[in-house]
Amino acid sequence: KAGVTQTPRYLIKTRGQQVTLSCSPISGHRSVSWYQQTPGQGLQFLFEYFSETQRNKGNFPGRFSGRQFSNSRSEMNVSTLELGDSALYLCASSFSGQVANYGYTFGSGTRLTVV
Amino acid sequence: GNSVTQMEGPVTLSEEAFLTINCTYTATGYPSLFWYVQYPGEGLQLLLKATKADDKGSNKGFEATYRKETTSFHLEKGSVQVSDSAVYFCALSVFNYGQNFVFGPGTRLSVLP
Repeated sequence: KAGVTQTPRYLIKTRGQQVTLSCSPISGHRSVSWYQQTPGQGLQFLFEYFSETQRNKGNFPGRFSGRQFSNSRSEMNVSTLELGDSALYLCASSFSGQVANYGYTFGSGTRLTVV
Repeated sequence: GNSVTQMEGPVTLSEEAFLTINCTYTATGYPSLFWYVQYPGEGLQLLLKATKADDKGSNKGFEATYRKETTSFHLEKGSVQVSDSAVYFCALSVFNYGQNFVFGPGTRLSVLP
C-alpha cells in the first residue's frame, strides 16, 4: 500500500513569505502529526490532527498552523517565514489510538530553505 | 517529564564490526519503545519496537531488549554493513497521542568498507 506522501519535496522561500506543505497519510490512518527536524534542535513536535481537529500542539509560535481535511490529508502553513524556519518538515500518520502499539509511519519530508 | 537519552555520535565502525547504540529513558507510566532509522535525504523508518518489559524487538539483524530495571533499550547488531550507515533514533510513547511520542537526539553511524 502507498506510504505517507509529502509534497513538495523541496522548497526555497524568501524571508517574510508564507508556505503550505501537504501530507497524505496511509489509507485508513486518521491521525497525522507534524515534526520539524533541524541539526541543532533535532526532532520537535509541531501538532497532531485527528478527525479534522487539532488534538495536541507543540511549543511553536502561532505562525505555524495546520489543518486536516475529511479525507485525513493534512496541510501545515508557516506565515512570515524566518531564516530559522529552514528545516526538514516531517509528517507521520498512524491509526488513532495505536501509536504506542505500532509507532508512526513517516513520509520522506519537505526540505524548506528560507533565504 | 518523558525523555530519551542516546549515546553521542558519530559512531564509526568497520564493516562486520559489532554495533551497540545505548538508549536510556525516563517516563511516567509504562512506555512503548522504538528505534527509528533515517537514511540520508529520507524520512524516518521504524526499525523495531517493544511494547512491554523484557520484550525483544528485532528486524534486519538489529535487536533491542526492553529493560525496565535499567530503563534501557540498547540497539545491537552483530555484523554491520556499509548500507547500515544512517542516523538512529530511540523513541518512546507513553500514551497514544503525538505529543507524548518523544525522540532522542539521534546517533549517526558510519560504516567503512
